[in-house]
Amino acid sequence: RKEVEQDPGPFNVPEGATVAFNCTYSNSASQSFFWYRQDCRKEPKLLMSVYSSGNEDGRFTAQLNRASQYISLLIRDSKLSDSATYLCVVNEGGSYIPTFGRGTSLIVHP
Amino acid sequence: DVKVTQSSRYLVKRTGEKVFLECVQDMDHENMFWYRQDPGLGLRLIYFSYDVKMKEKGDIPEGYSVSREKKERFSLILESASTNQTSMYLCASRSGRATDTQYFGPGTRLTVL
Repeated sequence: RKEVEQDPGPFNVPEGATVAFNCTYSNSASQSFFWYRQDCRKEPKLLMSVYSSGNEDGRFTAQLNRASQYISLLIRDSKLSDSATYLCVVNEGGSYIPTFGRGTSLIVHP
Repeated sequence: DVKVTQSSRYLVKRTGEKVFLECVQDMDHENMFWYRQDPGLGLRLIYFSYDVKMKEKGDIPEGYSVSREKKERFSLILESASTNQTSMYLCASRSGRATDTQYFGPGTRLTVL
């Protein structure tokens, strides 16, 4: 299986800041993309799917760039509660097994 | 609401013991997964089951086996636990469509002494 790469961080930002993470994938045949959020000592939970046309949910925006093979997550107006690890997940076409990045740690401070 | 449950949140076992970790999902999902998660290494796939009695090895199957006798239940077995199997174990389930999302259980933190 191919690789999914993320900057591990941590990204240390003040409340109210805008922060963006990227995730690169190596398999051009990849078909579906997700961002998961994982709080400390908890299980990963789906944050949002990433569609070709982009996806926005409140303060969160996810984008897909197929030409450069990366997905991005933008968080606007960061809250203390956004502090977590953000995992990028890529499903290759024809494979049952998703590939997880190692995650990017975000710390939002007062 | 999808629910994935795991039999224990915390487990302490001794080297050489046989360990069973159970996972149950209530959404009639075809696919189920066992991962372990260690600091700095991310999620690593141990085994995957795409249907009842069907299984595939993941990236790190050595030292583990699995059982899926019923659709809702996927068990991970450590035949003879070793200290390097101390980890967080996460179960996940998903519909049969590879493009659908996974739903995770709360995890079992296993310590092998």
